[in-house]
Amino acid sequence: DAGVTQSPTHLIKTRGQQVTLRCSPKSGHDTVSWYQQALGQGPQFIFQYYEEEERQRGNFPDRFSGHQFPNYSSELNVNALLLGDSALYLCASSLVQGVTYEQYFGPGTRLTVT
Amino acid sequence: AQSVTQLGSHVSVSEGALVLLRCNYSSSVPPYLFWYVQYPNQGLQLLLKYTTGATLVKGINGFEAEFKKSETSFHLTKPSAHMSDAAEYFCAVSDSQDTGNQFYFGTGTSLTVIP
Repeated sequence: DAGVTQSPTHLIKTRGQQVTLRCSPKSGHDTVSWYQQALGQGPQFIFQYYEEEERQRGNFPDRFSGHQFPNYSSELNVNALLLGDSALYLCASSLVQGVTYEQYFGPGTRLTVT
Repeated sequence: AQSVTQLGSHVSVSEGALVLLRCNYSSSVPPYLFWYVQYPNQGLQLLLKYTTGATLVKGINGFEAEFKKSETSFHLTKPSAHMSDAAEYFCAVSDSQDTGNQFYFGTGTSLTVIP
């Protein structure tokens, strides 16, 4: 059973550029959440997608946008990159069933902005 | 709003000693509580979770945690530390409302195990 996968593993971008990160959820899961984890910090919630719509959003600017496809995979897009966007970006998948809402995390994409 | 406080950003224990990692939460609704472990350059792995029912929950690798509502705590323990337990540990809280399950994470505790 494949877990959550993310691509690419590492990415280096220049300030002002745009980046797209990709996530495939665990088999059978229908919800994808994205988190930003700065060095030495805990993950911060960016947004969550369910049924191809943004369901909930954290305190991140509109430069951060996303998309969910019919196969439940998801993309995170960040425009006009800033040095402060350098972080590990984690994708988590879950299943909206029952009340446990357990989230499974992928290995992350390490984004470095220079 | 929900929040998590992890006391002690760094904890060191000797191999074989008790591991105690502290977590206090704030939640306006009955919380769901989680502990995750993160090894270097990896994602987060679920150790254990509390949703409802028994307040003492057991997880993988010999870890357990007890939900204490009166103390708003969910401390993680393990009777005997192994070298392989060295990692970063995150406590997280999620609300139980059906409006999306945003997780709120603490800032993490780095566990060092001394041989």
